[in-house]
Amino acid sequence: QVQLVQSGAEVKKPGASVRLSCTGSGYTFSNHYIHWVRQAPGQGLEWMGIMNPSGGRPTFAQKFQGRVTMTRATSANSVSLELSSLIFEDTAVYYCARVHLQDDDWSGCDAWGQGTLVTVSS
Amino acid sequence: QSALTQPRSVSGSPGQSVSISCTGTSNDVGNYNLVSWYQQHPGKAPKLMIFDVYKRPSGVPDRFSGSKSGNTASLTISGLQAEDEADYYCCSYAGSYTAVFGGGTQLTVL
Repeated sequence: QVQLVQSGAEVKKPGASVRLSCTGSGYTFSNHYIHWVRQAPGQGLEWMGIMNPSGGRPTFAQKFQGRVTMTRATSANSVSLELSSLIFEDTAVYYCARVHLQDDDWSGCDAWGQGTLVTVSS
Repeated sequence: QSALTQPRSVSGSPGQSVSISCTGTSNDVGNYNLVSWYQQHPGKAPKLMIFDVYKRPSGVPDRFSGSKSGNTASLTISGLQAEDEADYYCCSYAGSYTAVFGGGTQLTVL
């Protein structure tokens, strides 16, 4: 079955960087765009960005411009998100999610990773 | 871009219908038929319930329906069941290859 598996929880100090991975299985990984979404404790969902595992430049929400990098490793059916210059407010669960339809970017996300908790603490 | 506006909470009794609104602007909800809805139970990842305003992924009961009028999208749940109690989020394409979520609505089944 379709599955996205994310890397484990991280604890980082303010100013540090964190790199999260998301590995897909059960489908042709390169055919479905990936979104990254985060959720701070007790808060709502926040869209971070989108990438095409087949290539092309990722797009990020304006608030993350300059701080976020999204890369792909299609040979390993995985993508990564790196967030730099961490602040306390970056403490959240980070999700990767697969777009529902092939070669479509905005038709909703039908498969989600289990989430990775990133804690920013001094 | 600003988050889409959703009511913080709605409630209904089993068997009733409830609707959750999602208000954006002409730059997002009003300009694109690319609104999706997610259900999230505590401690779980979100689940796609509606995409492209009104379409249901396979496996989602037809008790869930979506619509849009102007800058406001709506999710309607008919025949409310206890397991529908969850948080619901709308999401819309917002142009320039970006998206925006609503603030979320907590649904309580009385």
